[in-house]
Amino acid sequence: DAGVIQSPRHEVTEMGQEVTLRCKPISGHDYLFWYRQTMMRGLELLIYFNNNVPIDDSGMPEDRFSAKMPNASFSTLKIQPSEPRDSAVYFCASRRQGLGNYEQYFGPGTRLTVT
Amino acid sequence: ILNVEQSPQSLHVQEGDSTNFTCSFPSSNFYALHWYRWETAKSPEALFVMTLNGDEKKKGRISATLNTKEGYSYLYIKGSQPEDSATYLCAFKGGNTPLVFGKGTRLSVIA
Repeated sequence: DAGVIQSPRHEVTEMGQEVTLRCKPISGHDYLFWYRQTMMRGLELLIYFNNNVPIDDSGMPEDRFSAKMPNASFSTLKIQPSEPRDSAVYFCASRRQGLGNYEQYFGPGTRLTVT
Repeated sequence: ILNVEQSPQSLHVQEGDSTNFTCSFPSSNFYALHWYRWETAKSPEALFVMTLNGDEKKKGRISATLNTKEGYSYLYIKGSQPEDSATYLCAFKGGNTPLVFGKGTRLSVIA
């Protein structure tokens, strides 16, 4: 398996523009997570899905952020409009549902810079 | 809000030294404790998943212990090597919550 795939790897955009980050989880994984990593706050959970259904979006910073998972193999995180404080690395992770082991597999991340 | 604390925040050791760092987490509603290794410019990779009080896990020169009653876990590295340089994250899994990550301990091993 190729692992969790994210695109783009780097994104530079101007303030006010719409940004869409993409994630393809590992095939067969039931859970998908979106994280944001910053120096100040570390790794923060933004939202997670189980079987394509959003379960907890309490970590989404504000209404400018939205996430979708239209099918088991694809998810997007959208920021509209983007602001400089959204600059961070955004990670997607997935895992298989099961007992005991909740190990998550992370994608390579998307480094977002909003100027 | 669940609090997962890691200490120290950063650590510099000489090659060959052994070292350890701490993760503190809530002692109630425990389900699992994870350790991840995160190298610069890469993504976090799982080292250990521990679920039982008293668990000890080992992978090569790296080992971890778990005390769920008092809410802490130690990660040990024996004979540190430059390739061990990374940020080590712990993450707590409660009964009905997703993983909550600590901010990590950044380890630098100097040759």
